[in-house]
Amino acid sequence: NAGVTQTPKFRVLKTGQSMTLLCAQDMNHEYMYWYRQDPGMGLRLIHYSVGEGTTAKGEVPDGYNVSRLKKQNFLLGLESAAPSQTSVYFCASSALAGTVETQYFGPGTRLLVL
Amino acid sequence: KQEVTQIPAALSVPEGENLVLNCSFTDSAIYNLQWFRQDPGKGLTSLLLIQSSQREQTSGRLNASLDKSSGRSTLYIAASQPGDSATYLCAVRPQAGTALIFGKGTTLSVSS
Repeated sequence: NAGVTQTPKFRVLKTGQSMTLLCAQDMNHEYMYWYRQDPGMGLRLIHYSVGEGTTAKGEVPDGYNVSRLKKQNFLLGLESAAPSQTSVYFCASSALAGTVETQYFGPGTRLLVL
Repeated sequence: KQEVTQIPAALSVPEGENLVLNCSFTDSAIYNLQWFRQDPGKGLTSLLLIQSSQREQTSGRLNASLDKSSGRSTLYIAASQPGDSATYLCAVRPQAGTALIFGKGTTLSVSS
């Protein structure tokens, strides 16, 4: 049981390049989330999904797209990377277990856009 | 709009001290509240989760309390150790299935 995994762990992009961050969970969770963490800003929600085939915008969605084609995977895409997207990206998943809902986080992806 | 604030932003204490980290939130209508620990360059590890109907949760040397009516939660760490040095994040979940809203964290340094 690996929990939540993220690929890649670190990436350097040039402005205008595109890339996809992959999040995978093996806990059969319905809900998945993408956050970004920036110094002094805390964690902010980019997009989220409440089930396979569904996605919704979070607090800071501009410049990102997501897809949830399979329940266990949640992909975050940057179509044309900008230096403002330099950040650490965290994926998380959760499921309702009775009335308790704990969110589990992946180890993060560090992205540097030059 | 729900906002979560953590005070202080940073805290330094000698080993062995008992300490309290504070978290406040602007909307008392929450589903649950979760405390996380984050080590430098690492992901988030869940420490304690308090449902809206609960007043506190305990795990080892950690105790988290919740006062919904006043919009406050505290994380109490007993007999602090250097290994407790990390950033502690408070997050609230407004409703079931919604994303967490995070505070900016308190960075704790425990010296030996």
